[in-house]
Amino acid sequence: DTEVTQTPKHLVMGMTNKKSLKCEQHMGHRAMYWYKQKAKKPPELMFVYSYEKLSINESVPSRFSPECPNSSLLNLHLHALQPEDSALYLCASSHPMSDTQYFGPGTRLTVL
Amino acid sequence: KNQVEQSPQSLIILEGKNCTLQCNYTVSPFSNLRWYKQDTGRGPVSLTIMTFSENTKSNGRYTATLDADTKQSSLHITASQLSDSASYICVVSARGSTLGRLYFGRGTQLTVWP
Repeated sequence: DTEVTQTPKHLVMGMTNKKSLKCEQHMGHRAMYWYKQKAKKPPELMFVYSYEKLSINESVPSRFSPECPNSSLLNLHLHALQPEDSALYLCASSHPMSDTQYFGPGTRLTVL
Repeated sequence: KNQVEQSPQSLIILEGKNCTLQCNYTVSPFSNLRWYKQDTGRGPVSLTIMTFSENTKSNGRYTATLDADTKQSSLHITASQLSDSASYICVVSARGSTLGRLYFGRGTQLTVWP
């Protein structure tokens, strides 16, 4: 299995809602990443988990809360988002000693 | 400052024609360079990866070149198809960099017309 899956594909939420994005991989990768991508812009790194521990937080606002419950799963909990948080959220995974990242299809998030 | 610049920003070609996309980088020390294809609203998919010692690498109709001396790379697409319409992103990683640190170009938006 060489695939990173993400759910849901699309999400529309209000500014007072709480929602979660999910990412899963079964390639045995022990590093997992969350990126945010705005239209016509490159992906921006948000968080990196290595061996289920948060190793990088790129000064992301606390309304985004990552969680890595096990080596195959990565969640991104969303609360009190702003309209400017609307974007494509990409998950990726890799072996910790490799910089080859495999990307998921993304979740298109719209905040109303 | 580590940067990746791509040109052109956008490109329109007719189906069946060839095209070449450019990538210049200042990432140092250099580890490798990848070209990704990203369809609208989808995640990037790796096309090629090149290390310092590699000059050319092909993947079907895609051929990437790397000149590590001038810090330039190109992606040549042969006999374009409508499905080639996408954003092509050049991504560079640095040796010894922080886990997961990749440097992304802004991409070239390619449109193939019938």
